[in-house]
Amino acid sequence: GAGVSQSPSNKVTEKGKDVELRCDPISGHTALYWYRQSLGQGLEFLIYFQGNSAPDKSGLPSDRFSAERTGGSVSTLTIQRTQQEDSAVYLCASSFARGSGTDTQYFGPGTRLTVL
Amino acid sequence: QKEVEQNSGPLSVPEGAIASLNCTYSDRGSQSFFWYRQYSGKSPELIMFIYSNGDKEDGRFTAQLNKASQYVSLLIRDSQPSDSATYLCAVNNPAAGNKLTFGGGTRVLVKP
Repeated sequence: GAGVSQSPSNKVTEKGKDVELRCDPISGHTALYWYRQSLGQGLEFLIYFQGNSAPDKSGLPSDRFSAERTGGSVSTLTIQRTQQEDSAVYLCASSFARGSGTDTQYFGPGTRLTVL
Repeated sequence: QKEVEQNSGPLSVPEGAIASLNCTYSDRGSQSFFWYRQYSGKSPELIMFIYSNGDKEDGRFTAQLNKASQYVSLLIRDSQPSDSATYLCAVNNPAAGNKLTFGGGTRVLVKP
């Protein structure tokens, strides 16, 4: 079946512009996660959606970052007033979220964001 | 101290040998442990997970977990050049939700 899809695959923007990154999870997966991976860095958790529960936003680095998940499926990560330090690969993952932290997360191909 | 620590490598291994990767974690509440493989320019793909102390084998891969020592490892037997990649260790503490905390990864190079 189809995996997690993300768009765009690459995004180049100018400092100060807003960007929107999209994630379409695996059909049937109720949990959706955003991570980012900066050059030479590990994956950093950003935000987590589970069903209709309030999202876990504990990883968002600043209030310039926000995310929505509409209809329990597609999610959009928005970065306002982008800065050069926002340059990274933004990865989306999804899982069935059976609970107890045993869920296997499957990653999409990522969006490479470059802020000039 | 990072929450999840891995030797960055590169770990150079001859083809056919065993590659041994280590990961330590600081959160004693961690209950689930995952190994992901990431090829350059690609997204992480799950190799295996382990929840209980001891060994878990899946093909050429064996994960080992010791919660008392806060240590998880991955062995790759009969290493192949196609195993050359960065291996990411990830842990989950259910009390903190389903998010994963990743180590920085170990780069493995399998030389023919």
